[in-house]
Amino acid sequence: QVQLQQSGAELVKPGSSVKISCKASGYTFTSYDMHWIKQQPGNGLEWIGWIYPGNGNTKYNQKFNGKATLTADKSSSTAYMQLSSLTSEDSAVYFCARWRTGLDYWGQGVMVTVSS
Amino acid sequence: DIQMTQSPSLLSASVGDRVTLSCKASQNIYKYLNWYQQKLGEAPKLLIYYTNSLQTGIPSRFSGSGSGTDFTLTISSLQPEDVATYYCYQYNSGWTFGGGTKLELK
Repeated sequence: QVQLQQSGAELVKPGSSVKISCKASGYTFTSYDMHWIKQQPGNGLEWIGWIYPGNGNTKYNQKFNGKATLTADKSSSTAYMQLSSLTSEDSAVYFCARWRTGLDYWGQGVMVTVSS
Repeated sequence: DIQMTQSPSLLSASVGDRVTLSCKASQNIYKYLNWYQQKLGEAPKLLIYYTNSLQTGIPSRFSGSGSGTDFTLTISSLQPEDVATYYCYQYNSGWTFGGGTKLELK
């Protein structure tokens, strides 16, 4: 069965970077786009971008250009998102989700807390 | 950028009610719209894709309709387990979520 297993919660300092992971199993990792979505506490969903692991192509929401960097490791079927120059506005839950006809499988989410 | 506006933001209904949620796009998105359900503390779940196609495993009381700029998610007979926040999501030009409709029991 398809599963997306994300890494654990992160507590990071302002100005630093963090890299979170999303390990895929149960399907051909290189054949589907992987999207990333942000959800601030009590707020709605915000699309960050996607990566196609087959060739590394990416597409970003302009708002996250320079903030988020998406990569993928085909050998381990793992997608990554690095967030840089962190501020309190980056404190949120971050989801990865596979795109087929929609975002049909989601990771459990990673809580990133930015605090000194 | 395409903006997605959902209404109402909060909806109270009784078990067994027919419930209708609205989603409006700022420009024509044809039928490139999905609906997601998010329960408290969980990841969202895909309910409907391409406006009116029911995702595998989703109960048939959920249905979607619309095209262009106006879209609707209907729950034909509300069940207690349907309490959640519902998001529409366009993918015609970029990818944009609506602000959500929180559905609660009256």
